[in-house]
Amino acid sequence: GAGVSQTPSNKVTEKGKYVELRCDPISGHTALYWYRQSLGQGPEFLIYFQGTGAADDSGLPNDRFFAVRPEGSVSTLKIQRTERGDSAVYLCASSRNGQSLSGYTFGSGTRLTVV
Amino acid sequence: TQLLEQSPQFLSIQEGENLTVYCNSSSVFSSLQWYRQEPGEGPVLLVTVVTGGEVKKLKRLTFQFGDARKDSSLHITAAQPGDTGLYLCAGVLLYNQGGKLIFGQGTELSVKP
Repeated sequence: GAGVSQTPSNKVTEKGKYVELRCDPISGHTALYWYRQSLGQGPEFLIYFQGTGAADDSGLPNDRFFAVRPEGSVSTLKIQRTERGDSAVYLCASSRNGQSLSGYTFGSGTRLTVV
Repeated sequence: TQLLEQSPQFLSIQEGENLTVYCNSSSVFSSLQWYRQEPGEGPVLLVTVVTGGEVKKLKRLTFQFGDARKDSSLHITAAQPGDTGLYLCAGVLLYNQGGKLIFGQGTELSVKP
């Protein structure tokens, strides 16, 4: 597609529930990134995919968070046993090859609210 | 501890004024980018700087990368209400494989008519 698409745009869930957030990157972009942004703060890195593999998952806060990209295109961020502290905007970005000079394009994000 | 310290965090000015936003670190970056983000949207790339001492201009915006590639600044001349938004600096650490971006905390700019 023309841009990075994230669905849903908003998600409200109850504490303890499981959620999945989807990212559809720009066609042909091999690198895909997930970030989390709290209100008024800069995005915080979660995980980076190069193709189908997670090249760097050092930003995932704990084992409740998991992400996949089985075919090297669409990615899903999965959060188990959600907690109120997980409430944030989850941003996805893609780039042509993971090099900063090729530029990053961000989606509009999924606003997750855990009540 | 924030790897990229951005200041100020909030800035409220009148239309026509000039302003500068700073981004500082003790680490060396292979490249540094500036983004602008509006409510409900993702960050939009404004510029990428890669060479120490590099200066880039984008209309009324001037971006500079420090000689040692540890800091950067964004200067806006004659700010307009349309410049209102969250400005973010983000860098890729030297020797980092994969282009992971480290973001600053952001500067919330409000330009009043």
